[in-house]
Amino acid sequence: EIVLTQSPGTLSLSPGEGAALSCRASQSVSSSYLAWYQQKPGQAPRLLIYVTSSRATGIPDRFSGSGSGTDFTLTISRLEPEDFAVYYCLQYDSTPWTFGQGTKVEIK
Amino acid sequence: QVQLQESGPGLVKPSQTLSLTCTVSGGSISSGSYYWSWIRQPAGKGLEWVGRIYTGGSTNSNPSLKSRVTISVDTSKNQFSLKLSFVTAADTAVYYCARGLARKGVAGRVIYGAFDIWGQGTMVTVSS
Repeated sequence: EIVLTQSPGTLSLSPGEGAALSCRASQSVSSSYLAWYQQKPGQAPRLLIYVTSSRATGIPDRFSGSGSGTDFTLTISRLEPEDFAVYYCLQYDSTPWTFGQGTKVEIK
Repeated sequence: QVQLQESGPGLVKPSQTLSLTCTVSGGSISSGSYYWSWIRQPAGKGLEWVGRIYTGGSTNSNPSLKSRVTISVDTSKNQFSLKLSFVTAADTAVYYCARGLARKGVAGRVIYGAFDIWGQGTMVTVSS
């Protein structure tokens, strides 16, 4: 099983600042089958990024993904008020598919 | 616009079977272009993949659930279902159904995409 470790656990930032969220895998995620989700309280997760760097439909370009192998990053260039949420990475390369434990981006 | 909606009992007794249904609207569940999946989330915790079914016929589930999982599709009702047997309090969670893209690759191997559409989730509590 591929274990995904996200860091930091919590990121305290102000609107307008940039954010870099890390997702490290215990073994290589081949074919870059790594996705990022945003989840707000009481809501289902929303797909932001798939295959490491492709933005899902309707996702603003302030969200970008990068990485390969075992190290992946979600970057939010300028935080908008609606971006404060919990973010999860998902590897869908090998079963069982696994999620990271999440990074909470909170308002400072 | 495809939408997914979970339904089922909100309370299940320990050792019994949890049964949930996901109704797909706005699209056909029979399309070979998608797979259908279940994910769960205990209160205040992270997400756990439960399993998936591809309407080409294959199913996979999380080995951590020790073969307690059955996922099936009812094309006549445009629904797919989850059965989780011998539940304990550890199975208490919000259960989400979700869709993802799928396609046949080389030698018939199925290539899966990320979950792109989710249901709103349904809370299931295991308690006597």
